[in-house]
Amino acid sequence: SAVISQKPSRDICQRGTSLTIQCQVDSQVTMMFWYRQQPGQSLTLIATANQGSEATYESGFVIDKFPISRPNLTFSTLTVSNMSPEDSSIYLCSVVRPSGTQYFGPGTRLTVL
Amino acid sequence: GENVEQHPSTLSVQEGDSAVIKCTYSDSASNYFPWYKQELGKRPQLIIDIRSNVGEKKDQRIAVTLNKTAKHFSLHITETQPEDSAVYFCAASIGTGNQFYFGTGTSLTVIP
Repeated sequence: SAVISQKPSRDICQRGTSLTIQCQVDSQVTMMFWYRQQPGQSLTLIATANQGSEATYESGFVIDKFPISRPNLTFSTLTVSNMSPEDSSIYLCSVVRPSGTQYFGPGTRLTVL
Repeated sequence: GENVEQHPSTLSVQEGDSAVIKCTYSDSASNYFPWYKQELGKRPQLIIDIRSNVGEKKDQRIAVTLNKTAKHFSLHITETQPEDSAVYFCAASIGTGNQFYFGTGTSLTVIP
């Protein structure tokens, strides 16, 4: 498996502000992903965090809104910029082991007022 | 890209009965199919997975079957218990380290 931590676990933010979420893994991994999960919904992939290069974003997500950093093989950050109430959601990072198995972090519950 | 459909969206069973959740996928290149269980307020947890070179895999009370020709796979839970109540997600992936495509989830309730 994988030990994955995320900070913060939850936050309440004001409209127009930004929040940076951190994801730390206990060992080096090549593939890291960021997902959003809205209440009662499935997991939506935001982007693939690439080490040493720009993240790869899915349709509907842009770098200006969700900038991602991946400075090394054990750490990544996702920033939710210029937040609105529609950004209220759970944000999860995940890693994929060489076997292809994907493991999720505990998630960050974001509420935007 | 890949499209994964999951049914039913909700499922209620009596304790001790079996539960079956079905998923279909569209891309014949998909070759890895995990199932995740997500309890309220917690992260998705991998419970079982299957690769395309295998037709069935079992782990105690849970099993997964794969029909590559029909492009569908199913999760079977036998002798259900109240602690099996959760949301279950299927997913499909091509190769290792590639994007995972998730189903819409099934909310399972096991009635004591």
